[in-house]
Amino acid sequence: NAGVTQTPKFRVLKTGQSMTLLCAQDMNHEYMYWYRQDPGMGLRLIHYSVGEGTTAKGEVPDGYNVSRLKKQNFLLGLESAAPSQTSVYFCASSYGLGQPQHFGDGTRLSIL
Amino acid sequence: KQEVTQIPAALSVPEGENLVLNCSFTDSAIYNLQWFRQDPGKGLTSLLLIQSSQREQTSGRLNASLDKSSGRSTLYIAASQPGDSATYLCAVNTGGFKTIFGAGTRLFVKA
Repeated sequence: NAGVTQTPKFRVLKTGQSMTLLCAQDMNHEYMYWYRQDPGMGLRLIHYSVGEGTTAKGEVPDGYNVSRLKKQNFLLGLESAAPSQTSVYFCASSYGLGQPQHFGDGTRLSIL
Repeated sequence: KQEVTQIPAALSVPEGENLVLNCSFTDSAIYNLQWFRQDPGKGLTSLLLIQSSQREQTSGRLNASLDKSSGRSTLYIAASQPGDSATYLCAVNTGGFKTIFGAGTRLFVKA
């Protein structure tokens, strides 16, 4: 009963390095989301996807890119990591608009 | 611009107490409101979702209410238990993909 799985769980990067965060869901959901969570703030939407092959910008998209080549996978990329991108990143999926979102356990990313 | 506020930021209660968590939002034009639970180092777990046309939803010891006119929602937890200790977040969906999250209330239930 996996639900939403995120890899890796932890990562430390140096400024300027690149990396990709992977999100996989096994619920056949059309909609997938990437959020970041920072201390004292609510989750903020980075990018989202309404189906395979589609992506769109959320509230804080700068510095990130995404891809949804397969329905079950949603990748978040950092091309040139910056200290301001130190955060906890959550992936979520939902059956449709206005439906409950199901979250992964997060990726804790530190950029030095 | 929709803003979601949760006060207090932290709350400590003795086991067995009934308690209310508060969520306020600035724009009453919402699609739905959702309450989540987040355990340390974990993701969010959906507890209750209230559509804009509804006034409340119940699940076990949890009851969530919604008053759009006053921009408020409450999460009532009956007979609290140490296992209820977690951070509780509310999130307002304003239509489409716009979901605004509060910063959460960290609840500690003392045994």
